[in-house]
Amino acid sequence: DTAVSQTPKYLVTQMGNDKSIKCEQNLGHDTMYWYKQDSKKFLKIMFSYNNKELIINETVPNRFSPKSPDKAHLNLHINSLELGDSAVYFCASSQEGVSYNSPLHFGNGTRLTVT
Amino acid sequence: AQKVTQAQTEISVVEKEDVTLDCVYETRDTTYYLFWYKQPPSGELVFLIRRNSFDEQNEISGRYSWNFQKSTSSFNFTITASQVVDSAVYFCALLRGGADGLTFGKGTHLIIQP
Repeated sequence: DTAVSQTPKYLVTQMGNDKSIKCEQNLGHDTMYWYKQDSKKFLKIMFSYNNKELIINETVPNRFSPKSPDKAHLNLHINSLELGDSAVYFCASSQEGVSYNSPLHFGNGTRLTVT
Repeated sequence: AQKVTQAQTEISVVEKEDVTLDCVYETRDTTYYLFWYKQPPSGELVFLIRRNSFDEQNEISGRYSWNFQKSTSSFNFTITASQVVDSAVYFCALLRGGADGLTFGKGTHLIIQP
């Protein structure tokens, strides 16, 4: 009963390709996020979605687009992949308003390698 | 702007030693939340603890303890009697109210040698 699941776990692709990473949560949370962890282990938020509405869009290239078909899913689509996109991407979810008993729950990450 | 500083990039200790991981944060908000996450070599992010800005009580959970001090904007994490399985990267993070997401520190790589 994985709370936050993302697929695939590993993704190897060539520059210029378009790829998607899927994320699903079964916790009934209102908000979902995408984080990027670079080669130096630095974690930075990319997007968050609350009730199918984009809340945050940090300085992320527009080649990256989050897509949320429903509250339980937030997929990450990446166009025209570049070498610098190689990283580990984490999906997460939380209850809106950050209630005291609701930490962010993270998926296990997707390691993207662009060659 | 929010910021989390983990000044210790890497710490190496021998098993059974106590070790403290430092975390200093900056925020202008009066309501905020502080977290610690563990990332073992397998790569997943494991939630350890969360405190809100109004609760400065220290917390102990087994060999883990946390010292939250608003006066110094610090939220330090201590592992007593460290074990090899504690080897991981540990992240401190800050969250405002709402759905802004976590601001992470750069992490401290903890190495416990047998």
